[in-house]
Amino acid sequence: QVQLQESGPGLVKPSETLSLTCAVSGYSISSGCYWGWIRQPPGKGLEWIGSIYHSGSTYYNPSLKSRVTISVDTSKNQFSLKVSSVTAADTAVYYCANSRFYWNEVYYHYYMDDWGKGTTVTVSS
Amino acid sequence: EIVLTQSPATLSLSPGERATLSCRASQSISTYLGWYQQKPGQAPRLLIYDASNRATGIPARFSGSGSGTDFTLTISTLEPEDFAVYYCQQRSNWLTFGGGTRVEIK
Repeated sequence: QVQLQESGPGLVKPSETLSLTCAVSGYSISSGCYWGWIRQPPGKGLEWIGSIYHSGSTYYNPSLKSRVTISVDTSKNQFSLKVSSVTAADTAVYYCANSRFYWNEVYYHYYMDDWGKGTTVTVSS
Repeated sequence: EIVLTQSPATLSLSPGERATLSCRASQSISTYLGWYQQKPGQAPRLLIYDASNRATGIPARFSGSGSGTDFTLTISTLEPEDFAVYYCQQRSNWLTFGGGTRVEIK
């Protein structure tokens, strides 16, 4: 059974870059699926950040695209998120997840199937 | 951006009752809609994809319907573990979520 685990600093200063990693176990990233990041500000709803395929193909939320980079490291079976120029509005629980939507022999990033437990990131000086 | 509006914001029901949750899209999204359940302190769980397909391991009491702009998640008989927040999510144009409906014990 696939398991995902987020890791990274819990506190980031304003204007700096937030960096998180999601370690995947029980499944090889190279085998397929899309791998994504979703966040949830305190007491609020969910926001999709972006998704990546093992080949490096990415999809980003247009509202965050200019500040977000998602990358994959198949040798370590993990993928990562960077958000630059953070502000207090980036304070949230950050989740990593996979998307196993499969149709006509192709994977798509459409829905999030398996999730990590989430990690809280606070932006504050 | 496609906006998803969920109603009601809060639904107060008793175990054993039927729950009907609504999600309305700002423009037609065909059947490209999913539903998630989130309990306090936990990650969301995918329940339904493409409007009416149950995800792996989801009990039959959860069902989804709708197309175009109006969608419904129905829980036929509420179990104690079903009290949670439910989100809809569309995949027609990027991925966006609704604001959520809280199902609470009456």
